[in-house]
Amino acid sequence: EPEVTQTPSHQVTQMGQEVILRCVPISNHLYFYWYRQILGQKVEFLVSFYNNEISEKSEIFDDQFSVERPDGSNFTLKIRSTKLEDSAMYFCASSDWDKSYQETQYFGPGTRLLVL
Amino acid sequence: AQTVTQSQPEMSVQEAETVTLSCTYDTSENNYYLFWYKQPPSRQMILVIRQEAYKQQNATENRFSVNFQKAAKSFSLKISDSQLGDTAMYFCASNSGGSNYKLTFGKGTLLTVNP
Repeated sequence: EPEVTQTPSHQVTQMGQEVILRCVPISNHLYFYWYRQILGQKVEFLVSFYNNEISEKSEIFDDQFSVERPDGSNFTLKIRSTKLEDSAMYFCASSDWDKSYQETQYFGPGTRLLVL
Repeated sequence: AQTVTQSQPEMSVQEAETVTLSCTYDTSENNYYLFWYKQPPSRQMILVIRQEAYKQQNATENRFSVNFQKAAKSFSLKISDSQLGDTAMYFCASNSGGSNYKLTFGKGTLLTVNP
């Protein structure tokens, strides 16, 4: 069964450095998402992406964050200058629609980012 | 804005028994969906069951069923005949339907099924 994959599984970086988190969505899906979960807190929506543009973003998704789909298969999240508070588990998701027009989001295993 | 609350951080159940996980939510939307996602240890989240708010009938998926109380804004998950493989973190989530598909999650309930 197709799965969403994410790389790397763990990333350690220094504060102020740029990081790129990579996701390979399920191949025929059209909607893509990034969520994050700070340790001990809820999973939070960051951004949704459709038709090569951001369809919605949360307050968390400020100018330090960007997303792109560079080659039609990967979906990346870039954090330009990481802060300590960016330490979290980042989940990618992609979605499709069934015959009843119901959307199901399929999640990747996550990338645990630690900013030192 | 939507909020989802799971008041049980951890629960345990004996194999073959039934367990109910609680979830309450708040929304100003008329059209919304509710979900239970399961995240086994070191694995990705997978959808367990979904409920459309406009449907009065409670959703069921094999051993999993929900008790959807719209007026009380309650959406509990019942797992019957619990199996060791049901051990996981369970997240309750909602979205507002329409063109807004982002999910709002609760903090999760860690369920352990004991042999």
